[in-house]
Amino acid sequence: EVQLLQSGAEVKKPGESLTISCKASGYSFATYWISWVRQTPEKGLEWMGRIDPSDFYTDYSPSFEGHVTISADKSINTAFLQWSSLRASDTAIYFCARWVNQNYVVWLDPWGQGTLVTVSS
Amino acid sequence: DIQMTQSPSSLSASVGDRVTIHCRASQTISSHLNWYRQKPGKAPQLLIFGASSLQNGVPNRFSGSGSGTDFTLTISSLQPEDYATYFCQESYSKPWTFGQGTKVDI
Repeated sequence: EVQLLQSGAEVKKPGESLTISCKASGYSFATYWISWVRQTPEKGLEWMGRIDPSDFYTDYSPSFEGHVTISADKSINTAFLQWSSLRASDTAIYFCARWVNQNYVVWLDPWGQGTLVTVSS
Repeated sequence: DIQMTQSPSSLSASVGDRVTIHCRASQTISSHLNWYRQKPGKAPQLLIFGASSLQNGVPNRFSGSGSGTDFTLTISSLQPEDYATYFCQESYSKPWTFGQGTKVDI
């Protein structure tokens, strides 16, 4: 069974750094891109970016580029989402999802269970 | 960026009802449209990809149609586990925008 297992909830202060993780199982990790998606009540679901684990190429939404870093470690089948300086507006649920591309038809499946990040002073 | 607009924002329905949700893109996206269901407190789950292809394992009471700018998700007979929020997503161009969601409740 293809699964993505995310790290647990985090509570941080503004300005702190944070890395959350997404561990893949049940398929060849390097074969599919991994995307990160943010969910907030105000803005709903927002695609943040993606990484190709085979060569670590990354592609970001302009809304998130420069504020987050997506990385991966093939040796442990895990993708990461990192902040160097959190803001209160980063409070959200973050999902990782496998990016499937078949003949230029693209979708996200499956999704991780989500990681709640709370940023508050 | 492509804007995705869903309607209605919410609806009330009974078990067994036929339910239709609409999604409109701000520009043509051919058939590059996906539908997801999100149950409370859970991650989104893929239902339909490529506007009308049913994902493996998804019950055939779900169907999708449309192309260009107008798309529809239909649940032929609503089941208790379908009380959830439904999202469309364009997969035509970055940043792969989602609709704002349609909440289906009793």
